[in-house]
Formats: sequence, C-alpha cells, structure tokens
Amino acid sequence: DAGVIQSPRHEVTEMGQEVTLRCKPISGHNSLFWYRQTMMRGLELLIYFNNNVPIDDSGMPEDRFSAKMPNASFSTLKIQPSEPRDSAVYFCASSLNTNLYEQYFGPGTRLTVT
Amino acid sequence: GESVGLHLPTLSVQEGDNSIINCAYSNSASDYFIWYKQESGKGPQFIIDIRSNMDKRQGQRVTVLLNKTVKHLSLQIAATQPGDSAVYFCADQPSSGNTGKLIFGQGTTLQVKP
Repeated sequence: DAGVIQSPRHEVTEMGQEVTLRCKPISGHNSLFWYRQTMMRGLELLIYFNNNVPIDDSGMPEDRFSAKMPNASFSTLKIQPSEPRDSAVYFCASSLNTNLYEQYFGPGTRLTVT
Repeated sequence: GESVGLHLPTLSVQEGDNSIINCAYSNSASDYFIWYKQESGKGPQFIIDIRSNMDKRQGQRVTVLLNKTVKHLSLQIAATQPGDSAVYFCADQPSSGNTGKLIFGQGTTLQVKP
C-alpha cells in the first residue's frame, strides 16, 4: 500500500503566484482532508470531502484558497494569489467511513512563499 | 471556544522509562479523543483513540486514560524507546455526529535519551 501521496514535496514560489498542491488518497478511502501546519497555529483542518463532495470548508482561510476533488483518487488545493503568510506544511489525509477519525496522513508539502 | 491543549511543550525521558503525556480539553460535550504521533518530516500517525464512555484503553505499549470530571486525558508509553521520539498530539471531535472533523492540540515533543 503506497499510502497517501502528495506532490510536490517542496514548493517555493513568489508572492502573487498561483500554487497547486496535489493529493492521491489511499484507494478505497471515502473521506479526504486538507490540513495546514504552522508553528504558530499548529495543525488546522482546512476542508474535507466525503465521497468527493465538500462537507466542511469552514477552515479555508479566505477566497484565495480553493479545493477540488474531481474523482475518488485525486484532490487539489489551490492558492491564488499566494502570500508569504501562506507558508506552511500542507497535509492531505484520508480515511474510511467506518472510522473517519483514523486518518492516514501523507508526507506533506512544504510551501514557502517569498 | 473549543480548545485542546497540552500541559508541557517538551518531555524528556530516559530510554526504558515510562512516559506520560497529558492533555486538557475544554468542550464537555466532546465524546471522542485521539492521540496522533508525528515524527520529524512526516505526517501525523494515528496511535489510539478512546470514547467518553470509557476511562481507559490499552494498545501495544500505550495506554490512554480519560478523566471526564476534570476534562483531562493522558497517553502513557511503556518502556519508552528511541523510536518513540516525536511530537504527540491529542485531538477531539468538536461536535456531535460522525463528521470526521478533529481539533488538534499544540503537541508535546517527546525526547528519549539513550
């Protein structure tokens, strides 16, 4: 089992640029979560999907952030335009509906916006 | 508001000793709690969970204790090993219903001295 796959692992971009983070959940998992981790704010849930449908996006910081899940095996988190305060590690996680809280996290994408 | 916090940011223990990591929560309606472990450069990993109708749950070398009276839970690791060095997060379910949404605490760093 390959686990949750995220790409890229590292992203460095300039302020104002568009950033797209990608995630492939574990095959068969019904739910997908996007988290952001910073020293100041810890681990925060941004949005999660169940069966490809967004269920709760209340954690999305602002309109610059958007997430999609076009099919069961792929999701994207897009930031447009990016700002230095978006610098963080972004994690994708997936889980089965039988236990939504046992979430399997990917290795994360470290985003640096200069 | 909802918060899940840990008492100590760093805990240092000798290899072979038992470790106890503490966590306090504020939402008296929380009925499900989870511990995650995050090793350096990796995503969080599910360790063990406990429901509010239980006081204690044991796993392999780990035990979680829940005291609902004082809204406190702890993670005990027996015979701590170097591989246990990581940041440990407690998390709770912020609302009723099986939503998958988790609120994570700030984390305690466990350092194991050889």
